[in-house]
Amino acid sequence: ELKVEQNPLFLSMQEGKNYTIYCNYSTTSDRLYWYRQDPGKSLESLFVLLSNGAVKQEGRLMASLDTKARLSTLHITAAVHDLSATYFCAVPGGNQFYFGTGTSLTVIP
Amino acid sequence: EPEVTQTPSHQVTQMGQEVILRCVPISNHLYFYWYRQILGQKVEFLVSFYNNEISEKSEIFDDQFSVERPDGSNFTLKIRSTKLEDSAMYFCASLGREQYFGPGTRLTVT
Repeated sequence: ELKVEQNPLFLSMQEGKNYTIYCNYSTTSDRLYWYRQDPGKSLESLFVLLSNGAVKQEGRLMASLDTKARLSTLHITAAVHDLSATYFCAVPGGNQFYFGTGTSLTVIP
Repeated sequence: EPEVTQTPSHQVTQMGQEVILRCVPISNHLYFYWYRQILGQKVEFLVSFYNNEISEKSEIFDDQFSVERPDGSNFTLKIRSTKLEDSAMYFCASLGREQYFGPGTRLTVT
């Protein structure tokens, strides 16, 4: 079974700071998805990374994929309070998606 | 913009009762999924559905669970005899260029 691990599980960061969330997965995949989930809400798609070396940016978030290392990163630049949420990565395998454990991000003033 | 819809938004049921959760996926999508998320935990895959049949299911998806696409638009998840531990958010998703999630149904089993 494909395993997807994220770290850290919890992240408290000050506004204006930068940080990176890591997503490691255990078997070969050339695609990876990042989602955001606000408390009590559904999952919102952030990024779809479709190949090795893919990099996508949206606002203060940038995601990258290294399929050889089986690693994706979600980099947060100059965090603001609105980015407080839980972030999940997900990797497709067979006919399902395997989700990471999630990173709960709190941005404090 | 097309979206996945789910009903009801919240369902309260007694242990042992049957529940049916409903989803309307995006119309031109072919792959559909059900997930569950126990409060504060990660998203767990239940089942995927393609071409009117189950394509993959997890260990969670035991004989108490079933899925149907009864009329070509709705996609339903039935839990035959609910248990307390079935209390969770249930999300439906459909796959196009990316996976689109519905708003979820909060199931509370008392």
